[in-house]
Formats: sequence, structure tokens, C-alpha cells
Amino acid sequence: DQQVKQNSPSLSVQEGRISILNCDYTNSMFDYFLWYKKYPAEGPTFLISISSIKDKNEDGRFTVFLNKSAKHLSLHIVPSQPGDSAVYFCAASSPGGGNKLTFGTGTQLKVEL
Amino acid sequence: DTAVSQTPKYLVTQMGNDKSIKCEQNLGHDTMYWYKQDSKKFLKIMFSYNNKELIINETVPNRFSPKSPDKAHLNLHINSLELGDSAVYFCASSQGNGGYQETQYFGPGTRLLVL
Repeated sequence: DQQVKQNSPSLSVQEGRISILNCDYTNSMFDYFLWYKKYPAEGPTFLISISSIKDKNEDGRFTVFLNKSAKHLSLHIVPSQPGDSAVYFCAASSPGGGNKLTFGTGTQLKVEL
Repeated sequence: DTAVSQTPKYLVTQMGNDKSIKCEQNLGHDTMYWYKQDSKKFLKIMFSYNNKELIINETVPNRFSPKSPDKAHLNLHINSLELGDSAVYFCASSQGNGGYQETQYFGPGTRLLVL
């Protein structure tokens, strides 16, 4: 039972344009969400997070939007750069679950020149 | 200055063998984790330890046994390896007592191939 879903396995964007990565979840107990970025042969690296008390969190070129009623979040990268090419994982956690992260299967982002 | 390190990076072994993967963090964190990423790219938590005490123990075969000699180390021992154990195993750590919303920092992964 996949509680966090990233339905687009890959996304290709031109340098300088906006990248939008999407994530859906089914477990209504999730109230904290994170995005991790992963390069080949490396571990995931934390990018940005959002708590369910907010609907937006911004950090430089990265913004995460949360729509609780739709159980949907998205990561916007503006402007996209070639170094952003990586796999992006969405993850979620809930209170009372320790710090157990439930991950999506990732979206491979390719930023082309 | 590697924050979370794992050894070995690659591990190729025969079915039935016993193997260990080591993890060390130099971040001064109190909580450490093991995740498994299978062939379908699902990253799933296996265990977490806070100050050498087990706090998360997901449904994982008994053949997998974590060992935390101190809070900077969390090793994973696997007995009687099976083909389905082939995966990438990631170690992670977080600063606090394993409460939710703590950012987890991941190691580079250990690629295990069971033949």
C-alpha cells in the first residue's frame, strides 16, 4: 500500500524555466512533508520541508506548496539549473510515528541546456 | 569531512552467507536509522536507534539485526542472505531523540548484491 505517490517517474525541463514536481499522499495522519534530492551513487539530501499548518514554504529557488484538502504537495524550482538534475523524493511523517519517513518512488528531473 | 559514512560501498556475496554493513556519523546526532531501497526504488525504513536504544522496528525478517555499540555507530548484520535482500541500504541520522520533524541526514548507501 503506497501511501506517498509520485506519479511522474521523470520530468524534463529547459534551463531557466520552472520545474514542478508533484506528490500525493493518502494517509490523513501525515502532517509533515519533506523533499529530498538524490544524485546517482549518493544518499538523499534534504532540500525543504513543510508542516501542515502552512500551505507554502520557500527557500531560495525552491518552494513547496501543500494542499491538505487534496492531499497534494508540489515542489517548484525557479529558475531550473543543470545542477538540479537529480531524483527528487517526496516524504511524509506523522506524530506518534517516531521519525519514520514514508517516501514516494521519486521523480527523475533532467534540466536541459 | 564525511557526515554519515557507510562501509562497504559495494557488497557482492552468495546466498546463505552472513554479512555486516557499518555506519558511522560524526554529526553528534543521537538517533540513527536504516533504510532499504529495493529494485522498484521504494525507500523504506527498517530500524531506528536513539542513544543505542531501539525505537523503530518495522516488519523486517529476523535475519536482520541492528547493533548500536554507541550513538555514533549503527551496524546492520544480515544472516542467511537471500536473493531478495539485494538492494541499496542507506543509513541516516538525526539530531534529537527521533521525534518527528527532525531532519534526517543520509549516508551514501551500500549496494548489496546477493548471487
